[in-house]
Formats: sequence, structure tokens, C-alpha cells
Amino acid sequence: EAGVAQSPRYKIIEKRQSVAFWCNPISGHATLYWYQQILGQGPKLLIQFQNNGVVDDSQLPKDRFSAERLKGVDSTLKIQPAKLEDSAVYLCASSLGGHTRQETQYFGPGTRLLVL
Amino acid sequence: AQKITQTQPGMFVQEKEAVTLDCTYDTSDQSYGLFWYKQPSSGEMIFLIYQGSYDEQNATEGRYSLNFQKARKSANLVISASQLGDSAMYFCAMRENNYGQNFVFGPGTRLSVLP
Repeated sequence: EAGVAQSPRYKIIEKRQSVAFWCNPISGHATLYWYQQILGQGPKLLIQFQNNGVVDDSQLPKDRFSAERLKGVDSTLKIQPAKLEDSAVYLCASSLGGHTRQETQYFGPGTRLLVL
Repeated sequence: AQKITQTQPGMFVQEKEAVTLDCTYDTSDQSYGLFWYKQPSSGEMIFLIYQGSYDEQNATEGRYSLNFQKARKSANLVISASQLGDSAMYFCAMRENNYGQNFVFGPGTRLSVLP
């Protein structure tokens, strides 16, 4: 079974530029998550989708971050314009979407973003 | 307030020995789940073990076991017979309700296994 795919793996941009990250979840997984992991910290949830609907985006900086999952499969996370403090690893995860507390999330390899 | 506390920023263990990584949590929910993930230097988060708040027995998965003390709100990860490949960051995480929202991670513990 293929895991969660993410691209690109690395990205270097200058502040005020825009950037987009792509995620393809495990086949059949209804729930998709985007996390931001700043160096030395645990991941922080940015947004959670259930199929193509948003379940939780309370920690997404909506003035510069946006995300979509149009067909309930792939998802794109965009930052526009980027700030220095956006330098982090962006992790995508997926889960079956069975609404149980024991549901396990499976993570992709992440995209390492450096904003100069 | 911190939902998940991991008080050990770094730990060392000798190869083949056991090690315990601490995790305490804060919740007022009766129903919750606790998870441990491993993050090697490659960056991918790898699921290790799960413990439900209503589970009467401590969870075990191979060399991993979870020392769950509900009254003390602790969920410590025990790794037996440490291997060099166990060197990584370890994160404790909690989900507080059935729908999967409020999934929060702790700050992590860096484990280094010495040959």
C-alpha cells in the first residue's frame, strides 16, 4: 500500500514570495491533515479536511495561508506572501475518517520550507 | 496550558538496554486517545503505539509498551532492548474526542542510542 506522498521535499524562497505544497493521501482515506512543524517543536495542526470539507482550520493563518481539497483526494496548501517565520516542515497526514478516537494518522515525508 | 508535556528534551540509552520516555497530559474529557510517534532524521512521523482512555490493559507493540497511569495522567513509552535505529525524536500526542479534532502533539524527546 502506497503511503502519503508530498511534494516538493524541499523549497527555498524569499520573503513575500508565494509557495504551494501538494499532498496525496493514502487511497481510501477520507480525512486529510496539514501540520506545521517548526524546528525543535512538535507538529501543529493547521487544517483538517473530511473528504472535501473543512473540519477544523482554527489555527490556520488565513491572511496568508490557504488550503483546498477539491475532489476529496489530493490537497494543496499555499502560502502567500511568505514570512521568515513560516520556515518549517509542512507535514501532510491522512486517516480513514472513521470518527473514532483511536484512529491513526499516517504521515508523509514532509516539505522543508526555508524563507530567506 | 500545555496539553501534552514531555519533560525530557534529550535522553541517552545504551544499546540493548530499556528506556522510558515520559509523557503527561491534561484533559477534562473522559474519552480520549494517546499516541506515540517516532520521527527519525528523515522527517517522517511513524506511528508506534496507541492507548485508549478506557483500555484496561497497557498497550504493547513489539518492543514498545505504554505505561498508562490514568489517575496521574501519564502515558510513558517504554522501549525495550534499544537498537541504534531507535535514535530519533519521539512525540506523545492526544486526541480528546471521537471526531479527531483537537489532536495535539507534545514538544518531543530526542533519544540517542549509544553503541
